[in-house]
Amino acid sequence: NAGVMQNPRHLVRRRGQEARLRCSPMKGHSHVYWYRQLPEEGLKFMVYLQKENIIDESGMPKERFSAEFPKEGPSILRIQQVVRGDSAAYFCASSPTSGTGGNRAFFGQGTRLTVV
Amino acid sequence: KQEVTQIPAALSVPEGENLVLNCSFTDSAIYNLQWFRQDPGKGLTSLLLIQSSQREQTSGRLNASLDKSSGRSTLYIAASQPGDSATYLCAADNFNKFYFGSGTKLNVKP
Repeated sequence: NAGVMQNPRHLVRRRGQEARLRCSPMKGHSHVYWYRQLPEEGLKFMVYLQKENIIDESGMPKERFSAEFPKEGPSILRIQQVVRGDSAAYFCASSPTSGTGGNRAFFGQGTRLTVV
Repeated sequence: KQEVTQIPAALSVPEGENLVLNCSFTDSAIYNLQWFRQDPGKGLTSLLLIQSSQREQTSGRLNASLDKSSGRSTLYIAASQPGDSATYLCAADNFNKFYFGSGTKLNVKP
């Protein structure tokens, strides 16, 4: 079991470009969570998805950010028209059942986005 | 809204010391509390998970306790080693999302 796989590990974008971050959950996991970690801060929840459904996006900025988890393929976090304040580490986690309650959530290595 | 606080923010100790990291949370309606380790530029490694009905969990030199009524958890590290140097994060699971503290950055000096 390869664990939660995120790619790319590092991503550099110029202001105004689009960033696409990918997350493949652990085998057998159908629930994916995205978190953002700003420099010197803790992780903040962004969005929770199941296959083809967004369950909770209460932590997503209202504009420029979107997430999907299609029936086939990885989950994608998309940031349009990036700004310097989007520079952060973005982590993906997966779990086997609804909610993380009672289950250990497994995190990927993160994608470090730098906007120049 | 859940607020998670970790004290101290940073800690430097000589090798061999026993130490305690503190975590407090404001909403006791949690499913579980999890302690993670994060190395610089790396992802998160889950260390211990305490279910809401449990009081503590142990793994090797690590012991974590949970007191839901007071909104507190502690991570005890026995006989610290330089390899324990990392940032330790606690996270309260309020169903479907974790609320993380800002972490305690630990440095164990040889």
